[in-house]
Amino acid sequence: DQQVKQNSPSLSVQEGRISILNCDYTNSMFDYFLWYKKYPAEGPTFLISISSIKDKNEDGRFTVFLNKSAKHLSLHIVPSQPGDSAVYFCAAGAQTGANNLFFGTGTRLTVIP
Amino acid sequence: EAEVAQSPRYKITEKSQAVAFWCDPISGHATLYWYRQILGQGPELLVQFQDESVVDDSQLPKDRFSAERLKGVDSTLKIQPAELGDSAMYLCASSLLGGNEKLFFGSGTQLSVL
Repeated sequence: DQQVKQNSPSLSVQEGRISILNCDYTNSMFDYFLWYKKYPAEGPTFLISISSIKDKNEDGRFTVFLNKSAKHLSLHIVPSQPGDSAVYFCAAGAQTGANNLFFGTGTRLTVIP
Repeated sequence: EAEVAQSPRYKITEKSQAVAFWCDPISGHATLYWYRQILGQGPELLVQFQDESVVDDSQLPKDRFSAERLKGVDSTLKIQPAELGDSAMYLCASSLLGGNEKLFFGSGTQLSVL
């Protein structure tokens, strides 16, 4: 049973435009959320995170929005750059319990120059 | 910047053979994770260590998989015997304390079972 879902397997965006990647979760115990970026043949690298006490976190071109009532979060990248082309994974965890992360299936972002 | 080291990067083996993967976490990181990522899916946790103790191995197929972290530093994941369905990327990650913080991933071992 997939507790973290990324329903868009791929997304193409023109360079300079905004990229919006979406993620939904089902477990109401999740209280922190992260986005990871993955290039082929490499491990995921951390991008940005958000705690459930916030609804927005911004880091440079990257902003994550959290809607707890809808159990939905999104990653905005603006402006998008060709180097942003990668697979993006949404992950969620709970402070109680074993503290591991549950990952979505990923969205492949292609930024077209 | 400190990194999580994994070896080998690639491993090709025949089914029924034994394989082993090694991971050296970032120095000082108490928590170590082994994840498996099948093509087209997200990473799934196999086992989590806190120092040398197993915290969660509920998703580890214990009939063929084993993991150890004897001195609470580096770790080995073993598969014996390997099956065709084990072909995947095996990712090691570490975190300082294991709480609500980011995980640092290694580059992974890409396993192909023929």
